[in-house]
Amino acid sequence: DAGITQSPRHKVTETGTPVTLRCHQTENHRYMYWYRQDPGHGLRLIHYSYGVKDTDKGEVSDGYSVSRSKTEDFLLTLESATSSQTSVYFCASRDSSGNTIYFGEGSWLTVV
Amino acid sequence: AQSVTQPDIHITVSEGASLELRCNYSYGATPYLFWYVQSPGQGLQLLLKYFSGDTLVQGIKGFEAEFKRSQSSFNLRKPSVHWSDAAEYFCAVGEGRGGSEKLVFGKGTKLTVNP
Repeated sequence: DAGITQSPRHKVTETGTPVTLRCHQTENHRYMYWYRQDPGHGLRLIHYSYGVKDTDKGEVSDGYSVSRSKTEDFLLTLESATSSQTSVYFCASRDSSGNTIYFGEGSWLTVV
Repeated sequence: AQSVTQPDIHITVSEGASLELRCNYSYGATPYLFWYVQSPGQGLQLLLKYFSGDTLVQGIKGFEAEFKRSQSSFNLRKPSVHWSDAAEYFCAVGEGRGGSEKLVFGKGTKLTVNP
């Protein structure tokens, strides 16, 4: 395991409010990811980072932004939360040599 | 773009029976393939991966998978299922730089194990 910690683990928020999810990894992995998991859709990539300040969009990036100011931290921000963003969010990381992606425990977000 | 199909949404087997979970992928070159398992309320744990070489790959918890290029498949198998194997299983294919920069997942197969 890659020592990935997500916070908060559970959050309920109101429509229209900004929300930030934090991912922290202790393995000095270069790559970090944010996925969302929804019933019937599996996991879909939101954004990923291939280094400090280097990020790129994934399949479902609309309404989300990310930042990576340090190797160990990758933040996901919902700029104005909507009910369609109610989901389980998983952070992941990968080193550039191992070719294996490791996942955190997930953050359950409910937008009411 | 790559895609992964897991044809079975839900499978039920009896404890002690054999198991095969199907996975088909679309990819032009030799793919990087993965199987992950997710227990309820938990994150994803890597079971096994295929990059090259021997097409039969051994993983953790007694699982194995076989890469068949002619069928674009990477099916997961276990000879005798235990009740603790009840979980959701995800097949994934790597894409991007180096072939595994990011993962594209199938929609998952939920496994129920009857006593």
